[in-house]
Amino acid sequence: GQQLNQSPQSMFIQEGEDVSMNCTSSSIFNTWLWYKQEPGEGPVLLIALYKAGELTSNGRLTAQFGITRKDSFLNISASIPSDVGIYFCAGLVAYSGGGADGLTFGKGTHLIIQP
Amino acid sequence: EAQVTQNPRYLITVTGKKLTVTCSQNMNHEYMSWYRQDPGLGLRQIYYSMNVEVTDKGDVPEGYKVSRKEKRNFPLILESPSPNQTSLYFCASSLSIGNEQFFGPGTRLTVL
Repeated sequence: GQQLNQSPQSMFIQEGEDVSMNCTSSSIFNTWLWYKQEPGEGPVLLIALYKAGELTSNGRLTAQFGITRKDSFLNISASIPSDVGIYFCAGLVAYSGGGADGLTFGKGTHLIIQP
Repeated sequence: EAQVTQNPRYLITVTGKKLTVTCSQNMNHEYMSWYRQDPGLGLRQIYYSMNVEVTDKGDVPEGYKVSRKEKRNFPLILESPSPNQTSLYFCASSLSIGNEQFFGPGTRLTVL
């Protein structure tokens, strides 16, 4: 199946700094999703992207669907302690005739914030 | 409240003792899926179901079974658990396969 390369694996930053992470693939996706997982909980959807080139914001989070459809980026501005967690990208391929492959997940980016 | 529930949340068992992890969603979603999460490997899909009575293998189906007799429930069955199935398991659901998935809270399984 498809594979997603998510980087960085982990980030140690100071509170207030901006954060950038990305996912790349050799395959084309037509939906990109970004999830956040906090300790002891399941992943929660942050942002969904449906069109190449799309730039979508959710509060301090901004995500972009790369124009090649093979990558996506997530930025967090002015990080705060509650941003700590694991961030996952996920790609989805839907076919014009109906149906789709399941979600393919990146391996996650661990975000650790030092006060 | 719209949600995906899993039970149990934590389970310690021994090799070979059959177990079932239940998953239920109240959103009338057609698509349901099971994942396992392991350090350094991210989320890997075990099985998925497009609708009632329709199930299919994901990336890591060996040692697992599922059933989808009703739309809301999608239990994960381990007929003969082994230590390499020690993991954190997540159930997820979505309107259809092409939509964003909602995850349950997870089940931490330890097989001794």
